[in-house]
Amino acid sequence: DIQMTQSPASLSASLEEIVTITCQASQNIGNWLAWYQQKPGKSPQLLIYGTTSLADGVPSRFSGSRSGTQYSLKISRLQVEDIGIYYCQQASSTPWTFGGGTKLELK
Amino acid sequence: EVKLVESGGGLVQPGRSLKLSCAASGFSFNDYWMGWVRQAPGKGLEWIGEINQDSSTINYTPSLKDKFTISRDNAQNTLYLQMSKLGSEDTAIYYCAREELYFDYWGQGVMVTVSS
Repeated sequence: DIQMTQSPASLSASLEEIVTITCQASQNIGNWLAWYQQKPGKSPQLLIYGTTSLADGVPSRFSGSRSGTQYSLKISRLQVEDIGIYYCQQASSTPWTFGGGTKLELK
Repeated sequence: EVKLVESGGGLVQPGRSLKLSCAASGFSFNDYWMGWVRQAPGKGLEWIGEINQDSSTINYTPSLKDKFTISRDNAQNTLYLQMSKLGSEDTAIYYCAREELYFDYWGQGVMVTVSS
């Protein structure tokens, strides 16, 4: 199985701050990576797919990138509504696997 | 509007079975792969498995392959998850999701608690 190692596990940031979350794949997954946001008590929502493509309705302050087998999610200007837990997911080969999650809180 | 609504959860004794349903609406159900993902209390997401449009291909995460069975009824726009030999480790929120490699729509989830 492909392991997805996400960091940090938790993060505290201020409004308008730039936030970056990373996900390291245990092997080459190409651009087959997605990011999800899960707000407290809610279902996960797709944010980014194919490493860099924004899902419908996702604000442009979210962006995704890749360097080798390391993937990053960047929030350019943190807003209150961005608080939650973020997960990466590889879609290169089954079983699809998720990162352990990053809990984003307001400082 | 795409809508996925899970049902069938609740409290179940260890060793027993339970079948979850997921009613889909707002899209052409028989055009999509569908999947199940679960989340233990306070934990991350775990993919359970997926089923293709005509049920000819069903994939599972290896550790759950012998316990869980995914099926669908395209006439009823419904996805199912049959769970057997349940243990405390299966206590979780179970989500159904529309799947195209990625999970673009999720249900609200249904809680399954395994306890005596």
